[in-house]
Amino acid sequence: GAGVSQSPSNKVTEKGKDVELRCDPISGHTALYWYRQSLGQGLEFLIYFQGNSAPDKSGLPSDRFSAERTGGSVSTLTIQRTQQEDSAVYLCASSFSRDNTGELFFGEGSRLTVL
Amino acid sequence: AQKITQTQPGMFVQEKEAVTLDCTYDTSDPSYGLFWYKQPSSGEMIFLIYQGSYDQQNATEGRYSLNFQKARKSANLVISASQLGDSAMYFCAMREPSGGFKTIFGAGTRLFVKA
Repeated sequence: GAGVSQSPSNKVTEKGKDVELRCDPISGHTALYWYRQSLGQGLEFLIYFQGNSAPDKSGLPSDRFSAERTGGSVSTLTIQRTQQEDSAVYLCASSFSRDNTGELFFGEGSRLTVL
Repeated sequence: AQKITQTQPGMFVQEKEAVTLDCTYDTSDPSYGLFWYKQPSSGEMIFLIYQGSYDQQNATEGRYSLNFQKARKSANLVISASQLGDSAMYFCAMREPSGGFKTIFGAGTRLFVKA
């Protein structure tokens, strides 16, 4: 497809387990973002990749969270030792822009539920 | 300090009337970009409109216009002739060089359109 693809769309896990969320951005988009959205809340910035530059990890809430982007394309967000407060929708977005312009194109999100 | 402030958690508007959703921002960069996104109950994020800080005119896209007041650091979204399908969450967002051009979002305003 031509859009941003995220998987899984839904993930239920037990507290303490590790989870991996995947994002496949639009081809050619240099910027890739991860956001977290709790029910009825705004978008919390997690991490931002731009081309081959070092990622901006300033939004990661703890060292249990990490993300990588391989070959400037697919990204994986990993949450280790999940906690109930990690339950949220994790949104991935990509953009062609390297500056102030260019809107974000969002995936449909991965809904994580930690029991 | 919050970079993007949306002070209206919820707004009601009568169908066919116009509504203004408030957004103020904080930046010391002279160059920045401002965006509005819509998130219906389905959860998808839809880009609505963009305003560059150097743009001389207010941005317009169909029934959406952005009331950009640079000195006041406000970028309010105006929706004309509201429709029932406009009921959704609306997010204001900004990109700036000092933030590494990452996009940050406000807390959002939930708009309810009444028939």
